[in-house]
Amino acid sequence: DGGITQSPKYLFRKEGQNVTLSCEQNLNHDAMYWYRQDPGQGLRLIYYSQIVNDFQKGDIAEGYSVSREKKESFPLTVTSAQKNPTAFYLCASTWGTGGSNQPQHFGDGTRLSIL
Amino acid sequence: QQQVKQSPQSLIVQKGGISIINCAYENTAFDYFPWYQQFPGKGPALLIAIRPDVSEKKEGRFTISFNKSAKQFSLHIMDSQPGDSATYFCAASMNSGYSTLTFGKGTMLLVSP
Repeated sequence: DGGITQSPKYLFRKEGQNVTLSCEQNLNHDAMYWYRQDPGQGLRLIYYSQIVNDFQKGDIAEGYSVSREKKESFPLTVTSAQKNPTAFYLCASTWGTGGSNQPQHFGDGTRLSIL
Repeated sequence: QQQVKQSPQSLIVQKGGISIINCAYENTAFDYFPWYQQFPGKGPALLIAIRPDVSEKKEGRFTISFNKSAKQFSLHIMDSQPGDSATYFCAASMNSGYSTLTFGKGTMLLVSP
């Protein structure tokens, strides 16, 4: 079945440590997204990528980095510069590179906590 | 600046009742309005979406009502069931060039048996 796989489901980070969240899709979608979800805050866009080797900052990119070396993969690194990383992180993808009126398909998220 | 305001934050409805969630937007360039449903521990899934050229769209028990002049849209869940208990997000985006979805803050719906 086609879909988006996020791993791990739970992740713990020590102070000063960088951690990388994995997102893989087999939907042949061009665009991919990372969101952060906090209770009562909705979904806030961290980074998005329309095509391979290209990505743009979202609303809350500080303390995060991404890469898009393959169409199927869009890993997110939470760096030590992100002072409040505890959240539920969601990856999504969309068919097509232009126009936003396509459904976003989401993975089941990674919950990141600080030790 | 929050561009999509969603209310209420939480909602309790009895089984068989009507659940109503409202959203208001500010940017008149928005022209795509989807609703997403999220169960605990899962990612959101598209439920239903509307464009501003229609005032209402119905899919099964779910209906979107759209009021372009008031810049408001709402989700109605008819005959609400305990299985509908989830968090619902409205969102909006523009169809010019490439734009991203702006989400409301979500409504936690509980349908009591």
